[in-house]
This record gives sequence, structure tokens and C-alpha cells, in this order.
Amino acid sequence: GAGVSQSPSNKVTEKGKDVELRCDPISGHTALYWYRQSLGQGLEFLIYFQGNSAPDKSGLPSDRFSAERTGGSVSTLTIQRTQQEDSAVYLCASSLVRGRIGIYEQYFGPGTRLTVT
Amino acid sequence: AQKVTQAQTEISVVEKEDVTLDCVYETRDTTYYLFWYKQPPSGELVFLIRRNSFDEQNEISGRYSWNFQKSTSSFNFTITASQVVDSAVYFCALSDEGSQGNLIFGKGTKLSVKP
Repeated sequence: GAGVSQSPSNKVTEKGKDVELRCDPISGHTALYWYRQSLGQGLEFLIYFQGNSAPDKSGLPSDRFSAERTGGSVSTLTIQRTQQEDSAVYLCASSLVRGRIGIYEQYFGPGTRLTVT
Repeated sequence: AQKVTQAQTEISVVEKEDVTLDCVYETRDTTYYLFWYKQPPSGELVFLIRRNSFDEQNEISGRYSWNFQKSTSSFNFTITASQVVDSAVYFCALSDEGSQGNLIFGKGTKLSVKP
């Protein structure tokens, strides 16, 4: 079946502009995660959505970052007033809901490479 | 706090050699999950294995095997008879009850397999 998809695959933006990154999770997966991968920081958790519950925003690096998940499916990560340190690959992942047997593996999309000039 | 350490930054081997990638983790929870992911040059993270803290049985899948030892908090990954297609960055990750499924990644080990 179809995996996690993300768009755009590459985004170049000027410092100070806003950007939106999109993620389509695997159908039937109710858990959705955003991570950031950069040379200096490795892979970092940003935000997590589970069904209709309030999202876990504990990984967002600043209030310039926000995310939405509409209809329990597609998610958008928005970065306002971009800075050069925001340059990274932004990865989306999805998984089945956590069940009583434990935490399920996450399946990742191809990522969006963001370059802030 | 949770932490994953992959001490080997880069490893280079010649095809057909066996190679072991080390992973050491820290967590205060008794229930936790360990994962390995592969990131080939194309960039997409590929899930390899998940192991929960109550199952210390080693696992073998073809040329891949994993050694989980709670006594040393390690979850090492061995590739037998390596191939050029195994060249990638390999990440070990941890998730525990407190992290709600969020993955805590190690810094990754870049494996280069030369022909």
C-alpha cells in the first residue's frame, strides 16, 4: 500500500518568510509524528498527534513552529519568520495507535529538505 | 532522562566482512521499546526491527541479527557477509512509556561497504 508522503520534497525560502510543509500518513494510522534532521542536532522529535487528543508539542523548538492535523489525517507543519538555523530535513512518520501490546513502529516519509537563505 | 548512544560515527568494511553496530541506551522505565532504522543515501528512514524490554531473545533475519542485553543496556546490530547495498546510516532509537511513542534517536552510524 501507499506509504507516508510529504510535500514539497525541497523548499528554498528567504529568511523571514513563512513556510508550510505537508504530510499524508499511511491510511489507518492514527498516530502522526514530525521530526527534524540536521547535521548538528541529529534526529529530533518535534510534535505528535494521536487521534483527537491534544497534540504533544514538547519538542517544538520555538513558538515560530506550529502544526495542525485536519480530519485525523493530513498534517501541516508551519514555520513562521524562518531563520537560517531552521534549515534541515523535516520528516513525518505515522504509526498505528498505541495498543495494549505496546508501542508500534513508525513509518517515515521521504522528508522535506528546507533551506533558508 | 532517555538517551541513546551510538559511539561509532563511521565504519568502513570490505564486502563480505561481518560488522557490528553498537547501541547503548538509558531509561528509567521498566517498559520500553528499542528500534533500528536504516537510512540509505536516498534519505528515507526504513524500519528494521522493534524489540520490547520484556523480550531478550536475540533475533535473526537473513544476514541481520540483533543482540539485546538488558544487563549492559545494549541493543547491538550485526550484519553478516556485508554487501555494498548495506551502505547507509543506521540509527538506533528508544521509546518508553513516558515518551508516548516518541522516538529518541542515537546520532547514527554511517556504514560504508566497499566492493
